[in-house]
Amino acid sequence: DAKTTQPNSMESNEEEPVHLPCNHSTISGTDYIHWYRQLPSQGPEYVIHGLTSNVNNRMASLAIAEDRKSSTLILHRATLRDAAVYYCILNSGANNLFFGTGTRLTVIP
Amino acid sequence: KAGVTQTPRYLIKTRGQQVTLSCSPISGHRSVSWYQQTPGQGLQFLFEYFSETQRNKGNFPGRFSGRQFSNSRSEMNVSTLELGDSALYLCASSLAGGPTGELFFGEGSRLTVL
Repeated sequence: DAKTTQPNSMESNEEEPVHLPCNHSTISGTDYIHWYRQLPSQGPEYVIHGLTSNVNNRMASLAIAEDRKSSTLILHRATLRDAAVYYCILNSGANNLFFGTGTRLTVIP
Repeated sequence: KAGVTQTPRYLIKTRGQQVTLSCSPISGHRSVSWYQQTPGQGLQFLFEYFSETQRNKGNFPGRFSGRQFSNSRSEMNVSTLELGDSALYLCASSLAGGPTGELFFGEGSRLTVL
């Protein structure tokens, strides 16, 4: 299974942008890059996904490197409610997703 | 629209016992997958069911099993419980799986094995 590498933790000040990096050097051509986040005491929730082009939705933006070996989740203005563990995963359709331990984002008021 | 429902939310068992966890997916979703979450290992894939058939299986021993019913509800069973099985078990549903499919997770069943 293709795996991803993320920093264990990051901090951000409230209302500032946050860039969460993810490396996926073994990504295959059919892998979609997905991001989920898990708030305390909840199951993970979907954030965004993409294949090759950068993507935007109401929650975040996803910037994908040209060689697809890395990507960055961008939260444009971090709020306290964005404090969570963020997971970058690769999905080839088999649904045997590797979540790893993610990046714990702390938002400082 | 009701979300993914998992029952029970909390349970305590002793070593050697067996446990059955239930998951009701979002109406219309045919794919159900199960994950184990522990502090040290993070989220690990257990198995995925689609239309009552297991499509994928993770690297867990045979003590972990599951099934899916015709109404897409799913159960997972763990037999001969070990202390290391203490974890949060998460169920996720999606319309049909696939690489672009968004997974919707339940809040999980927290199992404690004494």
